[in-house]
Amino acid sequence: DIQMTQSPSSLSASVGDRVTITCRASQDIGNFLGWFQQKPGKAPKSLIYAVSTLQAGVPSKFRGSGSGTDFTLTISSLRPEDFATYYCQQYYNYPLTFGGGTKVEVK
Amino acid sequence: EVQLVEFGGGLVQPGGSLRLSCVGSGFTFSNYWMTWVRQAPGKGPEWVANIKHDGSEKYYVDSLKGRFTISRDNAQNSLYLQMNSLRVEDTAVYYCARLYCDTPLCQKVYFQQWGQGTLVTVSS
Repeated sequence: DIQMTQSPSSLSASVGDRVTITCRASQDIGNFLGWFQQKPGKAPKSLIYAVSTLQAGVPSKFRGSGSGTDFTLTISSLRPEDFATYYCQQYYNYPLTFGGGTKVEVK
Repeated sequence: EVQLVEFGGGLVQPGGSLRLSCVGSGFTFSNYWMTWVRQAPGKGPEWVANIKHDGSEKYYVDSLKGRFTISRDNAQNSLYLQMNSLRVEDTAVYYCARLYCDTPLCQKVYFQQWGQGTLVTVSS
């Protein structure tokens, strides 16, 4: 199975900050990587697929990059609604696997 | 508007069975691969199973093969998850989601819309 490792597991930031979350795959997954946002008590929301392509309706403040095994999600100009937990996920092969999550908290 | 609504969660005793349903609307259900993902309390999401648009291909996480079965009824715009021999560790919110093909033959599929989830609690 492909292991997905996210770092950090949590971070504190202020409104207006830019934050970067890292996701590392245990093997080359090409560009078959997605990112999700989840708020407490809610379903995950798909943000990005294919490393950097925004899902419909997702603002351009979310930017994904990387390839192979190392990927990043950058969120610019944090707003109150951006404080949430973010997950990466590989869909290169089965079983599909998620990272452990990064909680973005208010400083 | 695309909507996915899950039904069928609840409290079940260890060893029991439960069938979850997910009804899709606002899109042509029969054109899409679908998936089940679960999330135990305080944990990250765990992929459970995928099913091809016509039901002819199914993929499962190894740890649940033989106990869980994914199926669909395109005439009813419905996706199902039959869960047997339930264990305490199966306690989770179960989500259905619509998938989209990222390659021509759908070898790679990514998540699009998610349902709101249904809670399954396995406890005596």
